[in-house]
Amino acid sequence: AAGVIQSPRHLIKEKRETATLKCYPIPRHDTVYWYQQGPGQDPQFLISFYEKMQSDKGSIPDRFSAQQFSDYHSELNMSSLELGDSALYFCASSYEADRGRAYYGYTFGSGTRLTVV
Amino acid sequence: AQKVTQAQTEISVVEKEDVTLDCVYETRDTTYYLFWYKQPPSGELVFLIRRNSFDEQNEISGRYSWNFQKSTSSFNFTITASQVVDSAVYFCALRSFSGNTPLVFGKGTRLSVIA
Repeated sequence: AAGVIQSPRHLIKEKRETATLKCYPIPRHDTVYWYQQGPGQDPQFLISFYEKMQSDKGSIPDRFSAQQFSDYHSELNMSSLELGDSALYFCASSYEADRGRAYYGYTFGSGTRLTVV
Repeated sequence: AQKVTQAQTEISVVEKEDVTLDCVYETRDTTYYLFWYKQPPSGELVFLIRRNSFDEQNEISGRYSWNFQKSTSSFNFTITASQVVDSAVYFCALRSFSGNTPLVFGKGTRLSVIA
């Protein structure tokens, strides 16, 4: 079965550079979530999109932005990278028929490991 | 606000022992979902189980079992006859039933199974 695809798997950037992470949700899933997991931490919610519109916002820095495109893939753009941005970044997708009343699963991608040096 | 507490930071057991990972949650929602995920050293989040708040039936899947007690807001996870391959960080998570809401994770429990 198709899963959530994230690219790249690994990324090394220098401080103050920019990075773009990509997420391809499971086909027909209408919602995408981004999470950040620092070393030894639990995943923290950053932002989500439902039907290409921003749905919810968590602890996402102003230096980060994200969008969901017409083909439902999503990109997380990170600028002015700092050492503290080094983390695992997960994307998850779900299908939320009737705004969540019929819920068909919540699947994570394998993550992108970003290292800022 | 929603909150998930996994009081056990790290647990070490010898292979073939049973181990229970605790999870206590707080939510004002009357309906919600609870999850357990496994994160092995490779880093991916592996889905183990999803439980609806209105279904308190306990579940068993092979060596894994889950005990959901709504009265005490707990959703504990037991591994029977643990194996070295069970070594991982285990996260309990909660989300609201309605809307496109994100998961709220506990801090995780690192399980080490020693041969």
